[in-house]
Amino acid sequence: KAGVTQTPRYLIKTRGQQVTLSCSPISGHRSVSWYQQTPGQGLQFLFEYFSETQRNKGNFPGRFSGRQFSNSRSEMNVSTLELGDSALYLCASSLDSSRDTEAFFGQGTRLTVV
Amino acid sequence: DAKTTQPNSMESNEEEPVHLPCNHSTISGTDYIHWYRQLPSQGPEYVIHGLTSNVNNRMASLAIAEDRKSSTLILHRATLRDAAVYYCILRGPPQGNLIFGKGTKLSVKP
Repeated sequence: KAGVTQTPRYLIKTRGQQVTLSCSPISGHRSVSWYQQTPGQGLQFLFEYFSETQRNKGNFPGRFSGRQFSNSRSEMNVSTLELGDSALYLCASSLDSSRDTEAFFGQGTRLTVV
Repeated sequence: DAKTTQPNSMESNEEEPVHLPCNHSTISGTDYIHWYRQLPSQGPEYVIHGLTSNVNNRMASLAIAEDRKSSTLILHRATLRDAAVYYCILRGPPQGNLIFGKGTKLSVKP
């Protein structure tokens, strides 16, 4: 079956702009989580959506937001981009978000803010 | 969130077994132990998970101590493709997110 698809793979934006990243989960998966990975901070949890509702949120400013559609596809948006937002953004999908479930990650979107 | 402790790095020879340790002394009774790995330039990949009993799958084995305060991921025959950062994660209720630490960087020598 098809894996988790993230688009675009690479993105270059200017400071102050906003960006939207997309994630298509594995068919049948209802939970989508987003993570930010940087060399300094490692992998950090942004937020999780399940059946179009945000169920959990990490410690990121309000400039980071997301949503999930009825087909489970998810988008995350970052407004007023800062240089420090340059990172690999990863999406993970799961059947649900129980602790006994494996997560499947996409290849990520590499965002560079200049 | 319960924390895990892993060595920063480990080395192995190709085709030899690898034992990757993880300490989690503050684990609660409902926390599952998950292992993921991240190959260079890729997203993390699920390896294995368990609660109390040892677990085996096609990729690896997970040995869980009787008191559950530590666990070991076992790769039975390391290949060059197994060179990656391995993350040991405790996953408990109610959150669904994975809390990643710094992991163990495994190098495999031919």
